[in-house]
Amino acid sequence: KQEVTQIPAALSVPEGENLVLNCSFTDSAIYNLQWFRQDPGKGLTSLLLIQSSQREQTSGRLNASLDKSSGRSTLYIAASQPGDSATYLCAVRRMDSNYQLIWGAGTKLIIKP
Amino acid sequence: DAGITQSPRHKVTETGTPVTLRCHQTENHRYMYWYRQDPGHGLRLIHYSYGVKDTDKGEVSDGYSVSRSKTEDFLLTLESATSSQTSVYFCAISESKDRVIGTEAFFGQGTRLTVV
Repeated sequence: KQEVTQIPAALSVPEGENLVLNCSFTDSAIYNLQWFRQDPGKGLTSLLLIQSSQREQTSGRLNASLDKSSGRSTLYIAASQPGDSATYLCAVRRMDSNYQLIWGAGTKLIIKP
Repeated sequence: DAGITQSPRHKVTETGTPVTLRCHQTENHRYMYWYRQDPGHGLRLIHYSYGVKDTDKGEVSDGYSVSRSKTEDFLLTLESATSSQTSVYFCAISESKDRVIGTEAFFGQGTRLTVV
C-alpha cells in the first residue's frame, strides 16, 4: 500500500531564507508526483508536476526534485517571502489507478517577516 | 481562478440526517472528484466521475453516494450523517485522465461539514 509522508509537519523560517520541504513515498511504482499549495479557507493550487521519468521541475523560485529509487521528493523554495506561507502538500499517482492521488498530510510553512 | 464552486461552504447538521454537497463547474471538464481532508491526514478520494451518469468509488466511499446528471454538477450525499463524517470536503475537476497529464487540475474552496 502506497503511503506518503511529509516531514516536518510545520516549519517556521525568517524571510529570505532558502528552504527545502520533504516528501517520501513507500512504493516507487508511480506515474508522477505533484506538489500543491493550500491556503486557509481556499482550495488547492497545483505548483509542480514531475513525471516518473523526470528528475526535476522548476517554476520561478520553486524547484521540485524526484528520486524514485529512494522514494523521495523535495520542494526547494528560494528566497522565501511571507506570501509563501501556506500548507504544502505532495501527492503521488499510483501506477495501478487512473484516478487516485495518494496524499501526504502536508507541511505548514510560516515565513516570518 | 477556475470556475468551480462548492455549496454550501459551511454546514452543521445532526447525526442521522441526510446531507447533500454540491460542486458546480463552468469549465466543461469531463472528470470530477470528491475528497475529504482530515487533520493529520492527506486528502482521501471518496468518489469520482468520468462523465454524466458515470461514477465510481474511491478509497473511502462507505456512507457516501454521488450523482452526476449534468456535466457541470457533481453531488455528494451523506445518506445518514455520522460524527466520523465531520470533515472538510473538496471537489476537484480535471480535463483528462490521461496518465501522462494525470492532474486534478482545479480544486474548489472546500465545504466544512460538522456533524453533531
